[in-house]
Amino acid sequence: GENVEQHPSTLSVQEGDSAVIKCTYSDSASNYFPWYKQELGKRPQLIIDIRSNVGEKKDQRIAVTLNKTAKHFSLHITETQPEDSAVYFCAATNQAGTALIFGKGTTLSVSS
Amino acid sequence: DTAVSQTPKYLVTQMGNDKSIKCEQNLGHDTMYWYKQDSKKFLKIMFSYNNKELIINETVPNRFSPKSPDKAHLNLHINSLELGDSAVYFCASSRTPGTGDTGELFFGEGSRLTVL
Repeated sequence: GENVEQHPSTLSVQEGDSAVIKCTYSDSASNYFPWYKQELGKRPQLIIDIRSNVGEKKDQRIAVTLNKTAKHFSLHITETQPEDSAVYFCAATNQAGTALIFGKGTTLSVSS
Repeated sequence: DTAVSQTPKYLVTQMGNDKSIKCEQNLGHDTMYWYKQDSKKFLKIMFSYNNKELIINETVPNRFSPKSPDKAHLNLHINSLELGDSAVYFCASSRTPGTGDTGELFFGEGSRLTVL
């Protein structure tokens, strides 16, 4: 089945710096790769997603890149702000499309 | 309007008891899920239902029994609760998935279960 590895597990940056989180997946049939943000005590919420027919997608300070050949995708956050502090999860759909398989999460801390 | 709602939000109970968590979505989605988030924050798929039919059961103990009375509802019943069942349980929904593509999952607020 699908396996998603995520690194790093924790990331501390200064306000204004960039943050990069990387994920790899195992199932070549996966076509959908979302990123979720989970603030303390809250539900995971989608911040950006990418499908396999696209190599890069950007939404203001957030961008995601996908390399299907290498089976890895990355989240880039520029000009980080304290409110970006949260746990970020990458995910990939399993082959059957029956579930999203999540990475183990990255705790991002942005200090001002 | 809450898109995916779960009740109760908090559950504290003794080992050996039975408890249920209810989930409802008003997004018109055909697919619903239960995920378990443990103390290490790992989000693990438990069950997936499409149009009231079970389509995935990820090696979850038989003590966990999901029920979907209609495609807008997915409930989770847990028998003989154990300490290791303590976690946050998230319900989610999505449109009917395609091959390798679930589309966005919309999560409920979570139900925090504490087993003493």
